[in-house]
Amino acid sequence: AQSVTQLDSHVSVSEGTPVLLRCNYSSSYSPSLFWYVQHPNKGLQLLLKYTSAATLVKGINGFEAEFKKSETSFHLTKPSAHMSDAAEYFCAAGDYKLSFGAGTTVTVRA
Amino acid sequence: NAGVTQTPKFRVLKTGQSMTLLCAQDMNHEYMYWYRQDPGMGLRLIHYSVGEGTTAKGEVPDGYNVSRLKKQNFLLGLESAAPSQTSVYFCASSYAGRYEQYFGPGTRLTVT
Repeated sequence: AQSVTQLDSHVSVSEGTPVLLRCNYSSSYSPSLFWYVQHPNKGLQLLLKYTSAATLVKGINGFEAEFKKSETSFHLTKPSAHMSDAAEYFCAAGDYKLSFGAGTTVTVRA
Repeated sequence: NAGVTQTPKFRVLKTGQSMTLLCAQDMNHEYMYWYRQDPGMGLRLIHYSVGEGTTAKGEVPDGYNVSRLKKQNFLLGLESAAPSQTSVYFCASSYAGRYEQYFGPGTRLTVT
């Protein structure tokens, strides 16, 4: 079994500034880790995944995440936020049964 | 290539009524899942299937049943709807375990 904690329920950034979304997980084994994005009234779209290869994972739309086993973390970053990044972001961990965090809502100020 | 589709998109039920949500995928995936999404709780797994003819309980299975008679379809049933089942329901599929899951657009269900 595993659990996921997203440390911020809401993050607000200015357009063009970096975004950091924090995710910690706990698991009795080495799970796969995922970040998904959900725009209003839409389904979830995969941003990136970690499955025991490189610890720095690059995803779509300029996002990347770093896996740190010692800290059981999988934080998501983007160097420069765009207005279109306003959405809800979910971190998930598991093998075929995923556990999701509660989500982080990102707002981007012009 | 439609990916994962869900029918219906919206539904309003009265307490005690029944309904079936249909999920279909055209990616030949083995694994399929039903989740519910509630504010502040992320997604919680209701039931899942690791292949045609198989189903298993997830984290919150009470009040729901599922069937996977065909590989491409995964049905979620509510036999006697309750207001606590008001939620947004998402179906997902994956090629196998530890692979990414692809999500449908969701079904918004309200039980009054």
